[in-house]
Amino acid sequence: DVKVTQSSRYLVKRTGEKVFLECVQDMDHENMFWYRQDPGLGLRLIYFSYDVKMKEKGDIPEGYSVSREKKERFSLILESASTNQTSMYLCASSSGTPSEQYFGPGTRLTVT
Amino acid sequence: QQPVQSPQAVILREGEDAVINCSSSKALYSVHWYRQKHGEAPVFLMILLKGGEQKGHDKISASFNEKKQQSSLYLTASQLSYSGTYFCGTPSSQGGSEKLVFGKGTKLTVNP
Repeated sequence: DVKVTQSSRYLVKRTGEKVFLECVQDMDHENMFWYRQDPGLGLRLIYFSYDVKMKEKGDIPEGYSVSREKKERFSLILESASTNQTSMYLCASSSGTPSEQYFGPGTRLTVT
Repeated sequence: QQPVQSPQAVILREGEDAVINCSSSKALYSVHWYRQKHGEAPVFLMILLKGGEQKGHDKISASFNEKKQQSSLYLTASQLSYSGTYFCGTPSSQGGSEKLVFGKGTKLTVNP
């Protein structure tokens, strides 16, 4: 079974802090994704990576950056957290196009 | 362009049928369906491809009308386990893309 894990289920940070969200997949997938999920808005893509060190912006990249130094790991970085970044963050991975995406359990981030 | 899902919510009794619709303002190459149960990660249901090919779930059926740029998910003889929020996703660029744009979701509640 494909497994996508995220470093924390719940995270509380203060405004202005630098925040790292980590995602690891164990199926050698080339594609990895970071989504943000807010009530009534669905899943919105923040960033996408199709290979090591390669990335593309999604629909809402402002205030975020990403890092993919190894194929299995994709990190989402909030350089200076703000309260409007309080949300559920979901990581996913896939292989090929079109193909199913496998989602991690999510990190609920609260910025106070 | 975010696909539009309808209805936003539906409540059924066990054994009843439901149809969830997904429509787009642009030509579609594929439509992807996911279900998310409360407190869990989204789980892949199926992909419908231009030309009629379908990949995914055995017990849930769906249609894809390329001319109308619409897809419908058919949940027949619903079970309690069908409860959750259903999302459709469409490629963010023509010709297919790993990047999907998801609708806002349809919340399905199945009661005993």
